[in-house]
Amino acid sequence: AQSVTQPDIHITVSEGASLELRCNYSYGATPYLFWYVQSPGQGLQLLLKYFSGDTLVQGIKGFEAEFKRSQSSFNLRKPSVHWSDAAEYFCAVGAGDDKIIFGKGTRLHILP
Amino acid sequence: DARVTQTPRHKVTEMGQEVTMRCQPILGHNTVFWYRQTMMQGLELLAYFRNRAPLDDSGMPKDRFSAEMPDATLATLKIQPSEPRDSAVYFCASGLGQGLGEQYFGPGTRLTVT
Repeated sequence: AQSVTQPDIHITVSEGASLELRCNYSYGATPYLFWYVQSPGQGLQLLLKYFSGDTLVQGIKGFEAEFKRSQSSFNLRKPSVHWSDAAEYFCAVGAGDDKIIFGKGTRLHILP
Repeated sequence: DARVTQTPRHKVTEMGQEVTMRCQPILGHNTVFWYRQTMMQGLELLAYFRNRAPLDDSGMPKDRFSAEMPDATLATLKIQPSEPRDSAVYFCASGLGQGLGEQYFGPGTRLTVT
């Protein structure tokens, strides 16, 4: 069965520092992978997606993610975080038939 | 700017009352999903529609929850009777139904049952 693991529940970085959020998935075939962001009191916003092709995908708000099949990973990165990036980030994998399975989320805190 | 809309945004009700949450998917999307988010359980898929037909409601407590799509522009999630353990944020999401899983979320309905 498909699953998604986000090993870090909380991450704290200083404003201007680089960021990497980890995501590991379990899926038998080539996965469809997503990162969503949820700001407090808001719905989930799609940051980026991977379906096929180039393993480095660019998203909105300066985020990127790299699909590594050998490591079953799809880590999210940003070279320099802004205070407005403080939010909860969810990695997700397609589960077939348009459904997706979400990880438990990583809450990002930004230090001024 | 196409987006999923949900009403109401907040609902406070007493135990035993009926609650109806509404969702308008993005025009042209043919899949609709209902999720529940709590601190303890995270995001749970409650129900899923394609072309207005229910495909999967295995995540939904059948005795009190029901989900319908009266037409392509409206999805509803009803709880009757409501219980305090139903307190959560309920999200609706829609997608193009291309088998890829790409979904777009509404702002959610925060439900408090006292």
